[in-house]
Amino acid sequence: DTAVSQTPKYLVTQMGNDKSIKCEQNLGHDTMYWYKQDSKKFLKIMFSYNNKELIINETVPNRFSPKSPDKAHLNLHINSLELGDSAVYFCASSPRDRGEQFFGPGTRLTVL
Amino acid sequence: LAKTTQPISMDSYEGQEVNITCSHNNIATNDYITWYQQFPSQGPRFIIQGYKTKVTNEVASLFIPADRKSSTLSLPRVSLSDTAVYYCLVGDWDSSYKLIFGSGTRLLVRP
Repeated sequence: DTAVSQTPKYLVTQMGNDKSIKCEQNLGHDTMYWYKQDSKKFLKIMFSYNNKELIINETVPNRFSPKSPDKAHLNLHINSLELGDSAVYFCASSPRDRGEQFFGPGTRLTVL
Repeated sequence: LAKTTQPISMDSYEGQEVNITCSHNNIATNDYITWYQQFPSQGPRFIIQGYKTKVTNEVASLFIPADRKSSTLSLPRVSLSDTAVYYCLVGDWDSSYKLIFGSGTRLLVRP
């Protein structure tokens, strides 16, 4: 069984479009995260979210917004896509803030 | 913010022990040190985590000196399948949005 899953695996879209990436974890974890990995392979946290609060990396544009319909899901919505948004986006979850994170397989976003 | 510095790449041979060092000079009191492994086209995978001294699990050991300004991931008897990128992460877990992955060390294990 997949622990952390993301859909789609690949996403190709035009500038200016709005898109979403879905993430689900079946581990019963309390905290979920979104990361961006750019072409230089730097991993940067974008958001962390548990049932209490959403913590946002202040460097993330407000075009990006996480939505959590329930504890097992944290979807990433991106408005007005830009070329610089092209990257691999990883979802992750952890049982608590202080601990091991389990990463999904990633979603490769290409903005044309 | 606890910025980390790692060697960009390392080469090794099968069966050798590999030690990868990460520098984190401004590590904070609440920070833990975590190492992840990443294969191409996959998400990072947790290897080990520690706060001080030495931690060992079935995969690796983590050595942290008393000043905690650096840490060393030790992989015993590497195999070809250990070829991957290894990231050192220093975590301010109370402010998790500030988590910063290092640039990673690309380990190549040769036959």
